Amino acid sequence: DAGVIQSPRHEVTEMGQEVTLRCKPISGHNSLFWYRQTMMRGLELLIYFNNNVPIDDSGMPEDRFSAKMPNASFSTLKIQPSEPRDSAVYFCASRTGSHTDTQYFGPGTRLTVL
Amino acid sequence: LAKTTQPISMDSYEGQEVNITCSHNNIATNDYITWYQQFPSQGPRFIIQGYKTKVTNEVASLFIPADRKSSTLSLPRVSLSDTAVYYCLVGVRNQGGKLIFGQGTELSVKP
Repeated sequence: DAGVIQSPRHEVTEMGQEVTLRCKPISGHNSLFWYRQTMMRGLELLIYFNNNVPIDDSGMPEDRFSAKMPNASFSTLKIQPSEPRDSAVYFCASRTGSHTDTQYFGPGTRLTVL
Repeated sequence: LAKTTQPISMDSYEGQEVNITCSHNNIATNDYITWYQQFPSQGPRFIIQGYKTKVTNEVASLFIPADRKSSTLSLPRVSLSDTAVYYCLVGVRNQGGKLIFGQGTELSVKP
């Protein structure tokens, strides 16, 4: 099993540009989570999906952030327009949703907005 | 979700047993206690989960007293590779899966 796959691993962009982060969850997992990690704020849950449906997006910082999960094997987190304060490591995680709430994290995308 | 409190950092030496205690005074009846480990430049990784008493796996042991207001993660004979941040989380198992990560405990293992 390849685990949770995220792309790109690193992204450097300029303020105002659109950024799209991608995630492929572990096959068979029906819940997907997007987190953001910074030194100042730690690891924050942004949004999560169950069976491709957004359940809780209360952690999404503002309207510039949006997330989609068009099917069980793919999700995107988009920032438009990006700002320097969005610089962080973004993690995607998935879980089976049955018998355990263990979340499996991807390697993360390090985003730098100049 | 119950709030957790754990030490910000701990130091240890190779071969020692490390115990990290987490306080969760407002834990609810249905809440489970879960610990994750995060190495630099990697995502968090599940270590262990328990509800009461003691749980042990190949990586660690988790001790939970009867009142469940705290828990202790025990790492036997740590090595340099155990240097990481350890997070204690409390939440309802199988209920949406929402987990709230606190600041964690940064464990530094020295030779």
